[in-house]
Amino acid sequence: GAVVSQHPSWVICKSGTSVKIECRSLDFQATTMFWYRQFPKQSLMLMATSNEGSKATYEQGVEKDKFLINHASLTLSTLTVTSAHPEDSSFYICSAPTGTVYNSPLHFGNGTRLTVT
Amino acid sequence: TQLLEQSPQFLSIQEGENLTVYCNSSSVFSSLQWYRQEPGEGPVLLVTVVTGGEVKKLKRLTFQFGDARKDSSLHITAAQPGDTGLYLCAGVAGGYNKLIFGAGTRLAVHP
Repeated sequence: GAVVSQHPSWVICKSGTSVKIECRSLDFQATTMFWYRQFPKQSLMLMATSNEGSKATYEQGVEKDKFLINHASLTLSTLTVTSAHPEDSSFYICSAPTGTVYNSPLHFGNGTRLTVT
Repeated sequence: TQLLEQSPQFLSIQEGENLTVYCNSSSVFSSLQWYRQEPGEGPVLLVTVVTGGEVKKLKRLTFQFGDARKDSSLHITAAQPGDTGLYLCAGVAGGYNKLIFGAGTRLAVHP
């Protein structure tokens, strides 16, 4: 089955530094990838849609200059949390459909737990 | 922005009991999906429903999509401790190329 690999699985960083999270589709090409954020015991909040070869589409309220998304190839999207602060601590999950979201389910990575100290 | 309301948010039951989780919206969805998530992991797809009135069964789990494609339900028969987890409904509303999640139902099944 389709596999999405996310790396790292957890990261601890100091306030003010930047952290890059990678999301790879291992056995399929993904023109679109989605980045979600999940707070403890809450649901997934869509942050942005990553589009291969073009700019990401951000959800309302998500700072595009703080959460930089790059989707340079059909198998890799990256999310960089710039100038991280403790309130950015969260569980970040990427996902990708094998086709479109209308005709195929999302395959999720195992998430990245970010802790900003 | 479409909104998916999921209920109940928490459910604590004994092994062997039945339960139903609801997912409702005022928007029409081209499809609805149900996921289950374990702590520290990404969600795993259980089922996708696409046709109004559709019923799908997955062992002890029964999924239904409303006739108007605005709501869905998940029914678990004879729940087992292994069913414990976070159940999420998610939908793609017409015209939107993205999946939006409901708030989730945290289920605990006690032996």
